[in-house]
Amino acid sequence: DTAVSQTPKYLVTQMGNDKSIKCEQNLGHDTMYWYKQDSKKFLKIMFSYNNKELIINETVPNRFSPKSPDKAHLNLHINSLELGDSAVYFCASSRSFSQETQYFGPGTRLLVL
Amino acid sequence: EDKVVQSPLSLVVHEGDTVTLNCSYEVTNFRSLLWYKQEKKAPTFLFMLTSSGIEKKSGRLSSILDKKELFSILNITATQTGDSAVYLCAVAVGDNNDMRFGAGTRLTVKP
Repeated sequence: DTAVSQTPKYLVTQMGNDKSIKCEQNLGHDTMYWYKQDSKKFLKIMFSYNNKELIINETVPNRFSPKSPDKAHLNLHINSLELGDSAVYFCASSRSFSQETQYFGPGTRLLVL
Repeated sequence: EDKVVQSPLSLVVHEGDTVTLNCSYEVTNFRSLLWYKQEKKAPTFLFMLTSSGIEKKSGRLSSILDKKELFSILNITATQTGDSAVYLCAVAVGDNNDMRFGAGTRLTVKP
């Protein structure tokens, strides 16, 4: 069974489009995260939700909007995609926001043309 | 600004060698330091360190934290080709489990 899953795995799209990436975890965790890993492999946190509430919102353009319909899901919607948005986006979860061990999904490779 | 710096950025060794990966940090409100291994896809958890001087071990891997000097090392003994990966150091800060990642060390183990 996949613990943290993301869809799609690959996403190729044109500049200006709007796209969503979905994440689901079946670990019963309360906290979920979105990370962006750029071409230099540097991993940066974007958002964190705890029990559907936003608790971390790093300096990320307003074009990125996370949505958590329930604590097992955290989706990422991106408006007006730009070339610089090309990266691998990882979803992760942890038991609670005070539990540092995070379990990562397989990643979504986004390419904006 | 919080900083997590890993060195070296890349390392090539032969099977059987021992390697030491370094992670130094400057952060406010330190909670813990974590090591992850990233092969082709998602990072997988290796260790979490919260106390200075206590070594954590898992097979051929071990890690230790020095909170006075603000660094951690990850040792891998008798390396194997399957150890080839990017090793990420991350520091958890604040009450909300915010994570600061280093750039990673790319380890290549040649047969």
